[in-house]
Amino acid sequence: KAGVTQTPRYLIKTRGQQVTLSCSPISGHRSVSWYQQTPGQGLQFLFEYFSETQRNKGNFPGRFSGRQFSNSRSEMNVSTLELGDSALYLCASSFRQGEGYEQYFGPGTRLTVT
Amino acid sequence: GDSVTQMEGPVTLSEEAFLTINCTYTATGYPSLFWYVQYPGEGLQLLLKATKADDKGSNKGFEATYRKETTSFHLEKGSVQVSDSAVYFCALTPGGYQKVTFGTGTKLQVIP
Repeated sequence: KAGVTQTPRYLIKTRGQQVTLSCSPISGHRSVSWYQQTPGQGLQFLFEYFSETQRNKGNFPGRFSGRQFSNSRSEMNVSTLELGDSALYLCASSFRQGEGYEQYFGPGTRLTVT
Repeated sequence: GDSVTQMEGPVTLSEEAFLTINCTYTATGYPSLFWYVQYPGEGLQLLLKATKADDKGSNKGFEATYRKETTSFHLEKGSVQVSDSAVYFCALTPGGYQKVTFGTGTKLQVIP
């Protein structure tokens, strides 16, 4: 099975712009989660989608949004970019495995805001 | 809220040394516990997991035991290799939910 894919892998934007990142989950996985990774804050949960519905949301401003399509592919959007949004954005897909969820991560999109 | 505390890094070991990375957690209910590894320039890979008390997760020579009485999930390996150099993250998910809470990560450097 192909793993989780994320596009683009690298992105450079300027302050005030908006950006859309894409994630294709492993075939058969219906849940997609997004995380932001920075040196200062570590890994922080953004949101999770399951069957096109947002099920969980982290503590991020409304500039961060996402959606999931009927084929489980997901996009996240960040509007009015700030310098502090520079980070590695990781997507993970999952299915229920026994009594615990296993999440499989993509390679990430490295966003640099200048 | 849920939280995970890991030992500060970096940890530098010689090849074939014994590894322990401490991890403790705070969570309500019965979380599932995980160790993820991140190699330079890559995303996270699931290393091992445990879903209930006294479960032992193991993979590639790494082990961790879910200790509910001490709320701990310490990662161990008997003999590390240079190829184990990476950042290790302890994490939990609350029962029934997908939101993963990660520790801050511990960088391991193994020298020949």
